[in-house]
Parts: sequence; C-alpha cells; structure tokens
Amino acid sequence: GDQVEQSPSALSLHEGTGSALRCNFTTTMRAVQWFRKNSRGSLINLFYLASGTKENGRLKSAFDSKERYSTLHIRDAQLEDSGTYFCAAEVPSNYNVLYFGSGTKLTVEP
Amino acid sequence: EAAVTQSPRNKVTVTGGNVTLSCRQTNSHNYMYWYRQDTGHGLRLIHYSYGAGNLQIGDVPDGYKATRTTQEDFFLLLELASPSQTSLYFCASSDALTGGYEQYFGPGTRLTVL
Repeated sequence: GDQVEQSPSALSLHEGTGSALRCNFTTTMRAVQWFRKNSRGSLINLFYLASGTKENGRLKSAFDSKERYSTLHIRDAQLEDSGTYFCAAEVPSNYNVLYFGSGTKLTVEP
Repeated sequence: EAAVTQSPRNKVTVTGGNVTLSCRQTNSHNYMYWYRQDTGHGLRLIHYSYGAGNLQIGDVPDGYKATRTTQEDFFLLLELASPSQTSLYFCASSDALTGGYEQYFGPGTRLTVL
C-alpha cells in the first residue's frame, strides 16, 4: 500500500545522461527488488538487495534499511532503457509479501 | 532464471462473467503469487500460496478466489467479474526454501470486463 513512496513519477533523459530513482519506506524493510516493465509489458528483474549496493552494467542500486530508502542510478542512458521502473520491498514480518512503489516512467530521448 | 508463463494473455468478458486466469512455473518454486496492476499504481497482491493446496490472502482479495493445484500451477478465479476488476494481472514465483525471496514474474494477462 502506502509503505513505499517512489519518485519521481516520470523522468525524461537524453541519451548518454543519467539520473537516480528513489524509494522511501515508511517502515523498516528487509530487502528490496527493482524491476523494469518493458514495452511488451513484461517485468524484468534488475536487482535484489538485502543491504549495500549492487551494480550491473550502467545500473547501480543501493539499499539502506536503517535509513529506509533505496535508489536506482542509471548512467549513460540508452533508448532501450525506456520503460516503467518499479521498486518493491519485503517487510520483516512476511518476507514473501512485496509492497510496490507506484513506478517511475522513464523516457530516453535521442 | 525462473520461467513463469500465463494464459490467456488477453481476455475480454462481460459483467457477471466467469473467468479463470492460469499461471505455470517450471522451476519448482514453492511460492506463487497473483497481483493486479492498475495504471499509475504499483502491483498489489491478491493471493499467494506456499504449495499445492495452500492459499494465503493478500492485500486486495475481495472478488477473487485462487487455487494451487500442483507445485507448478496457480489459478486465479473471478466468478462474478465486475468492471472494477479490469486490470493487468501478473503471476510470480519465488523459492523461499533455499533462503532467497526474489520474485520472478510472468508476462501478465490483460483482463477487460465490459
């Protein structure tokens, strides 16, 4: 529900630039996942973090459970990065339930 | 990576209609989930299951039933569909037994209730 606040709701980038998406949590979360919903509507797994940072190519994610936030950094954005990005977090009381943010619609322009 | 498939990919029904959405995962994951996603919102959990014959209630269960017939198959049932159930439905699975809770999603089913 409202346990995950994701921002911005929309973001436009020119190719080659970068930015960060952020999720704030209203309570302590155990772990976070980041997804991209592509043009076909499929949810692509990007990261799963229980702490610290992970990097994969031009994407980097961080999760700080104590400070109640997670970020997803995109550098050198490409056209194929366009889509809607979601974060989702696990509450400690039930690891199997994910609470989703409302998504960030990213548009990468030439 | 987990393979999760859903059928049908698109479905149109009328108010009061009976709809079954199917989900199959082929990686022996124990947990399976049904979510709905509406424009401008994140996914919301309807029902989930930790094994054949088990069913757990999610955050938005009203108007939905579900049944887990096997380790691989999880069905979502709308017995009296209403226009408010027009949505994009995602199925997911995870393998909590090995300590990982990362969820893997199917391609989604778009349901329209007229």
